[in-house]
Amino acid sequence: DIQMTQSSSSFSVSLGDRVTITCKASEDIYNRLAWYQQKPGNAPRLLISGATSLETGVPSRFSGSGSGKDYTLSITSLQTEDVATYYCQQYWSTMYTFGGGTKLEIK
Amino acid sequence: QVQLQQPGAELVKPGASVKLSCKASGYTFTSYWMHWVKQRPGQGLEWIGEIDPSDSYTNYNQKFKGKATLTVDKSSSTAYMQLSSLTSEDSAVYYCARRGAQRADWYFDVWGAGTTVTVSS
Repeated sequence: DIQMTQSSSSFSVSLGDRVTITCKASEDIYNRLAWYQQKPGNAPRLLISGATSLETGVPSRFSGSGSGKDYTLSITSLQTEDVATYYCQQYWSTMYTFGGGTKLEIK
Repeated sequence: QVQLQQPGAELVKPGASVKLSCKASGYTFTSYWMHWVKQRPGQGLEWIGEIDPSDSYTNYNQKFKGKATLTVDKSSSTAYMQLSSLTSEDSAVYYCARRGAQRADWYFDVWGAGTTVTVSS
């Protein structure tokens, strides 16, 4: 199975900060990488697919980058509504796997 | 609009089974595989398995083989997941999620709101 590792389980950030969340796969996943946002009590929401493609309706302050094994989700100028947990997921293998999640909290 | 409807909660006794439903609307049910994902309280997301509604072909996470059984009813555009021999470890929120149709789009683009399963006597 492909292991997905998000290096930080939580971040304490300030409103307006630029935030970078990293995700590392145990092998090359050829950009088959999605990012999801989950707010408490809600289902996950797809933000980015194919490592870099922003879903319709997702604010442009979100962006994704990376290739091979290493991927990044960035949020420029963090807003209150961005406080959530973020998960990466690989879909290169049909043994789909998620990262452990990175929770953003306000300082 | 595309929707996946799930019941809010199920209370079941230890050792029993439960069958969770996920009713799809707003798209051609048989054109998109359906997935199921488990989330224990305060924990991350865990993929359970997937089913092709067109022919009921299934693919399971090895961890959930024998625990989860995926089926569909094409006539009602509903996917089901049966969980058997329930223990406290099965208490969780279970989501259904639609997978994109093309090989490059096999991420989960639409999610149900989740069903909270509580295993308690």
